[in-house]
Amino acid sequence: QKEVEQDPGPLSVPEGAIVSLNCTYSNSAFQYFMWYRQYSRKGPELLMYTYSSGNKEDGRFTAQVDKSSKYISLFIRDSQPSDSATYLCAMSKGGADGLTFGKGTHLIIQP
Amino acid sequence: NAGVTQTPKFQVLKTGQSMTLQCAQDMNHNSMYWYRQDPGMGLRLIYYSASEGTTDKGEVPNGYNVSRLNKREFSLRLESAAPSQTSVYFCASSEGLGGSYEQYFGPGTRLTVT
Repeated sequence: QKEVEQDPGPLSVPEGAIVSLNCTYSNSAFQYFMWYRQYSRKGPELLMYTYSSGNKEDGRFTAQVDKSSKYISLFIRDSQPSDSATYLCAMSKGGADGLTFGKGTHLIIQP
Repeated sequence: NAGVTQTPKFQVLKTGQSMTLQCAQDMNHNSMYWYRQDPGMGLRLIYYSASEGTTDKGEVPNGYNVSRLNKREFSLRLESAAPSQTSVYFCASSEGLGGSYEQYFGPGTRLTVT
């Protein structure tokens, strides 16, 4: 079993819909959780950064972490065609060692 | 403020050739990282440097070496390139040393080994 599981999609939704993206993980030592957006042939761009369980909101984006279920989510409200990209979840135990990534979900917002 | 920069953007190598990928950050970050991204595999950590003067292996270090030249710069060297090293390489940095762990990525280097 991979440490971080993420459905690769593609996930296709109409413009204006609420999008839900999810990851599950197996290592209970993970404490820091991130979501990155990656456009084709570009580097990952940090969207959300959360510590431990709870919710965090930033504009149209909401990140949720449920450590008891080892499950994290990213919600995108009022989705736009410009949100079409691959979304990567990533997590860390803390310290300077690297992030463990999911494989990414390819999201398509249809105009 | 350029963030994380990487050179070159693209490279084609023949099997057995060597090359160095360069990375620099201007955010005064302590920690720097090299990842590779392959289709269906996600991003995997090759090497990292928690602070200037230290380097450590990540998940897939074989065939690579790194140098933390100074606080700003972290290079990745392929001594004898192999087709299995065809990938997109990303450098990242974070505040580290008790600060934030969020990582910021460069634009990537697309490497093809024939």
